[in-house]
Amino acid sequence: QLRLVESGGGVVQPGRSLRLSCAASGFNFRGSAMHWVRQAPGKGLEWLGVITYDGNNQYYADAVKGRFTISRDDSKNMVFLQMKSLRTEETAVYYCARGNVRDEMAFEFGGQGTIVTVSS
Amino acid sequence: EIVMTQSPASLSVSPGERVTLSCWASLSFDRNLAWYQQKPGQAPRLLIYGASARATGVPARFSGSGSGTKFTLTISSVQSEDSAIYYCQQYNNWPPITFGQGTRLQIK
Repeated sequence: QLRLVESGGGVVQPGRSLRLSCAASGFNFRGSAMHWVRQAPGKGLEWLGVITYDGNNQYYADAVKGRFTISRDDSKNMVFLQMKSLRTEETAVYYCARGNVRDEMAFEFGGQGTIVTVSS
Repeated sequence: EIVMTQSPASLSVSPGERVTLSCWASLSFDRNLAWYQQKPGQAPRLLIYGASARATGVPARFSGSGSGTKFTLTISSVQSEDSAIYYCQQYNNWPPITFGQGTRLQIK
């Protein structure tokens, strides 16, 4: 059973940094691409980026490129999202998701997300 | 960037009705499209990938079709538990992977 537990959210001032974590279980983590997706209050879904199964490549949305970094630790079955220079409009629920085993650019969500509030 | 547009924005139907949700792409592509269901307070759930393949555990009443610039999600006989927001997502031309704005489905 796929399980993803996001953590690390909280209230942060504009311009500051925050690191989110995602603990994975119930599937072959080492063989899976991992994505981050966010959802602002009352809004739709926004893809942020992906790290490939081997960690060798990361791809990002333009809105976060250069400020956000995705990494993974396969020894701990965890993926991370380091966020810098946060903006008020980035207040959202942040989800990690696994790439579907048959189609890794389709997302399987397994957690409740972690809430990030960017406010002074 | 491929822009995805969903229609209608919302609809209200009775149990047992057949429902078709549409998703339009700003550029044509073959089958790299997924559909998600999101209920209040929950993470999205993958329903369809590859435009027409049902994800594990998804009831057979959900089906996807389409290619080019128009894709559809059909619920053959809607149930009360299908009340949710439905999103389409393209992953043909990426980055970025992009979503539609969602269709809210209400069951009377």
